Amino acid sequence: DAGVIQSPRHEVTEMGQEVTLRCKPISGHNSLFWYRQTMMRGLELLIYFNNNVPIDDSGMPEDRFSAKMPNASFSTLKIQPSEPRDSAVYFCASNKKGAVNQPQHFGDGTRLSIL
Amino acid sequence: DQQVKQNSPSLSVQEGRISILNCDYTNSMFDYFLWYKKYPAEGPTFLISISSIKDKNEDGRFTVFLNKSAKHLSLHIVPSQPGDSAVYFCAANSGYALNFGKGTSLLVTP
Repeated sequence: DAGVIQSPRHEVTEMGQEVTLRCKPISGHNSLFWYRQTMMRGLELLIYFNNNVPIDDSGMPEDRFSAKMPNASFSTLKIQPSEPRDSAVYFCASNKKGAVNQPQHFGDGTRLSIL
Repeated sequence: DQQVKQNSPSLSVQEGRISILNCDYTNSMFDYFLWYKKYPAEGPTFLISISSIKDKNEDGRFTVFLNKSAKHLSLHIVPSQPGDSAVYFCAANSGYALNFGKGTSLLVTP
């Protein structure tokens, strides 16, 4: 079975540019999570979707960040405009909500560098 | 504030010996705990979990112990193998959200 698929794996861009990260969750999973990993803060939840609906976006750092899930098999995380402090590894994860104690399964992440 | 803490950033163990990774948490509402393993340039991979109604869960070489009164859990790896060298993250769940520790880097030497 395919796992969570993220693209691109690496992104290097200049400050002020728009960045779009993509995620395809595991088929049949109805919950999707975006995380950011930094040295200072570790892994932190940015936003959580259930059945394509954003449930909790309290972790989104600023209005420059936005996320969408137009259907059950695709989600995007967009940063516009990007800043050097956004440099981090961004992970997408999915699981099946409703089943008891289901672990989240992670993609391999997008390493983002903003120059 | 960090609700899940892994106070040892790194640990080195000889092959064949036991590796013990520790984790402390502050929120008594957490009801499900997980350990993830992460290799460089890959995402975290689920390793083992434990519900708050249990105090031990075993899966092959991996055992997780939960001490609710102390708000402490540990991961035991016996015997340790060089392929176990990775960063291990402890996570605690309440509802949908996972709260992660900052990880412990385990090095298993031959």
